Amino acid sequence: SQTIHQWPATLVQPVGSPLSLECTVEGTSNPNLYWYRQAAGRGLQLLFYSVGIGQISSEVPQNLSASRPQDRQFILSSKKLLLSDSGFYLCAWSVPYSNQPQHFGDGTRLSIL
Amino acid sequence: AQSVSQHNHHVILSEAASLELGCNYSYGGTVNLFWYVQYPGQHLQLLLKYFSGDPLVKGIKGFEAEFIKSKFSFNLRKPSVQWSDTAEYFCAVTSGDYGNNRLAFGKGNQVVVIP
Repeated sequence: SQTIHQWPATLVQPVGSPLSLECTVEGTSNPNLYWYRQAAGRGLQLLFYSVGIGQISSEVPQNLSASRPQDRQFILSSKKLLLSDSGFYLCAWSVPYSNQPQHFGDGTRLSIL
Repeated sequence: AQSVSQHNHHVILSEAASLELGCNYSYGGTVNLFWYVQYPGQHLQLLLKYFSGDPLVKGIKGFEAEFIKSKFSFNLRKPSVQWSDTAEYFCAVTSGDYGNNRLAFGKGNQVVVIP
C-alpha cells in the first residue's frame, strides 16, 4: 500500500534562517506531488505541484521554493524565513491522469520566531 | 481559475442533530468533487468523492453529498451527527489539467458536536 511521510512534525525557526521540509511517498511510481499551506479559516492554499522529477510549478509568488530531486521525494525550502512563513504545511500525492483523490501527509507545524 | 465557497465557517450543534454543509464552485465544466475531513490531531482524509453517475454519493461514517450541476453545488449532509463528527470539513474541486489533478479547496467548516 502507498504511504506518505513528512518530517519534521513540528519546527521552530528564527527569522532569516533557512528551511528544508521533506516529503516522501512509498508504494507508487511517478506520483503527482503537492505542497499546501493550511491556515485557520483560510483552507488549503496550493503552493507548488510537480508532475515529474525536476518539474515544479508554483501557484503563488512567495518566499518559498520546492524541488523534486527523486521521483518520490518533494522538498520545500527557503533561504531566509520570514515571520509570515509560519503555518501548517501539508504534502500530498495523487495518481496522475486519474480521478483518484489526493492523499495527504500528517503535516509540519512551522513556527517562526 | 476554479474557486470554492464554503459558508458558515463555525458550526455548533448537538448530538443527533442533522448537519448540512454547503459547497459551491465556480467552474461550469466537467469537475471532480471531494469532501475531506480533518479530525483533531489527525491528517486530512477523504470523506467522499463524485466523478460521474448518480449525483447522490455516499461516503464513510454515514455522510452523503449531492451534486447539483445547475447550482454548481456539492453539499454535504449527515442526518444525525455524533460527538465523534467534531472535525474540520473541506470541499475540494478539480481545477487543473487531468494530468496534474490540482484541487481548489474551500476555506473549511469547523464543526463542533456537543454531547
